[in-house]
Amino acid sequence: KQEVTQIPAALSVPEGENLVLNCSFTDSAIYNLQWFRQDPGKGLTSLLLIQSSQREQTSGRLNASLDKSSGRSTLYIAASQPGDSATYLCAVAPRGGSQGNLIFGKGTKLSVKP
Amino acid sequence: KAGVTQTPRYLIKTRGQQVTLSCSPISGHRSVSWYQQTPGQGLQFLFEYFSETQRNKGNFPGRFSGRQFSNSRSEMNVSTLELGDSALYLCASSRGVETGDTQYFGPGTRLTVL
Repeated sequence: KQEVTQIPAALSVPEGENLVLNCSFTDSAIYNLQWFRQDPGKGLTSLLLIQSSQREQTSGRLNASLDKSSGRSTLYIAASQPGDSATYLCAVAPRGGSQGNLIFGKGTKLSVKP
Repeated sequence: KAGVTQTPRYLIKTRGQQVTLSCSPISGHRSVSWYQQTPGQGLQFLFEYFSETQRNKGNFPGRFSGRQFSNSRSEMNVSTLELGDSALYLCASSRGVETGDTQYFGPGTRLTVL
């Protein structure tokens, strides 16, 4: 059974720091991995999607990597800003399931202090 | 382009009642998935629909049901509500069922069961 873990559960950093969020999954048989952002009381915003054949994706100050063999992904945020404060979730689409059946981690709550 | 919309945004019900939640996907999207989010369990997959057919169902009791209409709009129904059904219910849409399709989430419906 696929399980997704995110460590740490919470992280507080000063503005301007570069930071890394971690995601691990137990079964490497996945179609893709997605990183999402969730603001309090809101829905999820997709940040990056990495196909199983890819190693990384970049969007602005965000870079996500995927190491399928070790079951790990990282989300790198450069020059963090207070507006980056949110909960970050990673999710995998497991092979054998359907694309809309994502398995989520419990998230990392990020707080960026001015 | 309008995003995923969910109605109502907030609901308060009492135990034993039933509830229907609605989701309108992004125009042109044919796949809709539903998730339940609680503080304890995180995000859990409920079901996925594509072209009016249920493609996959999560591990939830039969009190949870859904359907999709020909215009891709989807509804989910929960009968005989229990206190534990209090949660944020999120709907996501994607163009189809290809592995590279990003899931776009709505703002959610906050259900409180008293």
